[in-house]
Amino acid sequence: NAGVMQNPRHLVRRRGQEARLRCSPMKGHSHVYWYRQLPEEGLKFMVYLQKENIIDESGMPKERFSAEFPKEGPSILRIQQVVRGDSAAYFCASSPSGTGTLRGGYEQYFGPGTRLTVT
Amino acid sequence: AQSVTQLDSHVSVSEGTPVLLRCNYSSSYSPSLFWYVQHPNKGLQLLLKYTSAATLVKGINGFEAEFKKSETSFHLTKPSAHMSDAAEYFCVVSQRGKLIFGQGTELSVKP
Repeated sequence: NAGVMQNPRHLVRRRGQEARLRCSPMKGHSHVYWYRQLPEEGLKFMVYLQKENIIDESGMPKERFSAEFPKEGPSILRIQQVVRGDSAAYFCASSPSGTGTLRGGYEQYFGPGTRLTVT
Repeated sequence: AQSVTQLDSHVSVSEGTPVLLRCNYSSSYSPSLFWYVQHPNKGLQLLLKYTSAATLVKGINGFEAEFKKSETSFHLTKPSAHMSDAAEYFCVVSQRGKLIFGQGTELSVKP
């Protein structure tokens, strides 16, 4: 039973290029979350998606960042015109169900992360 | 808004001695709380979760946590540390599906 898969594991981009990070959730999971781990800042929520829907993007920077989870295929986190400050570890997580309530007790399973370095 | 505060940024113990990692939470309703562990350059692994079924929660690798509403705490403990426990530990609260992380506690285990 494969876990959450992310690729690439390491990605190097020059300033101004685009970065595409992919995430395949665990089998049977229809909810995907992206988190970013910046040095000295800890782990921060970015976006929560279901198939073909963005549920919560309150943690996404307003510009250059976008995410999708199409009906077929992996979830994609896209960063346009990368800058040095985008260098971080990006983690994807999935869960079997999200929540329509306030509590949200369903645990999330994390992938190994993509480490983005912008030169 | 919900939040968690991890009271120690770094804890150092000797192998075979108890581990205590402290976490306080802030929530306007009964929270869903988790502890995750992250080994160097790896992803996050779920240790245990609290979702109001029982206040003492047992997790993997001998870890457990106790939910204390009166103290708004969810401390992580282990009776006897092992070298392989050295890692960073995150106390986490769930809010409308998204996870809110504490700042992390780095656990060092001395031989």
